[in-house]
Amino acid sequence: GAGVSQTPSNKVTEKGKYVELRCDPISGHTALYWYRQSLGQGPEFLIYFQGTGAADDSGLPNDRFFAVRPEGSVSTLKIQRTERGDSAVYLCASSQGLGELFFGEGSRLTVL
Amino acid sequence: SQELEQSPQSLIVQEGKNLTINCTSSKTLYGLYWYKQKYGEGLIFLMMLQKGGEEKSHEKITAKLDEKKQQSSLHITASQPSHAGIYLCGADSGAGSYQLTFGKGTKLSVIP
Repeated sequence: GAGVSQTPSNKVTEKGKYVELRCDPISGHTALYWYRQSLGQGPEFLIYFQGTGAADDSGLPNDRFFAVRPEGSVSTLKIQRTERGDSAVYLCASSQGLGELFFGEGSRLTVL
Repeated sequence: SQELEQSPQSLIVQEGKNLTINCTSSKTLYGLYWYKQKYGEGLIFLMMLQKGGEEKSHEKITAKLDEKKQQSSLHITASQPSHAGIYLCGADSGAGSYQLTFGKGTKLSVIP
């Protein structure tokens, strides 16, 4: 596609529920990143994929968070047993090699 | 870990006025990125600086990286309402790095 696409744009869920957030990167971009942005803060790194593999998942806050990219294109961020503190905007970005990251518009997650 | 401090946190200017936003790093900057974000939208890439003393311009926006490579400034000339948004600086930690650390952002409002 023309840009990075993220779905859903908004997700409201209850504490304890499971959530999946999807990212469709720019066609041909091998690198894919997930960031999380809380209100009034800058984006914080979660995980980086190069192709199908997670090259660096050091930013994932705990084992409730998991991400996959099975075919090296679309990625899904999965959050188990959601907590109110997980509420944030989850941003996906892709790039062709190092340099400029192209960001999607984000998925706003609200955990009640 | 690297920390980026942006100043001011927020800025309100009259249309047509010039303004400057600063980004100071706790460590040497290898790659410094400026992004703009509007509410509910993703980050839009503005410029990337890598060399000490480097300066880049795009339309009415100029970004500089100081010689010591620990501070960058973003200058907007003759501001317009379309410049309003949150400006974020991001930095990578070195050669081959892919993970960006972001500042908290500077919220710019331009009054017509």
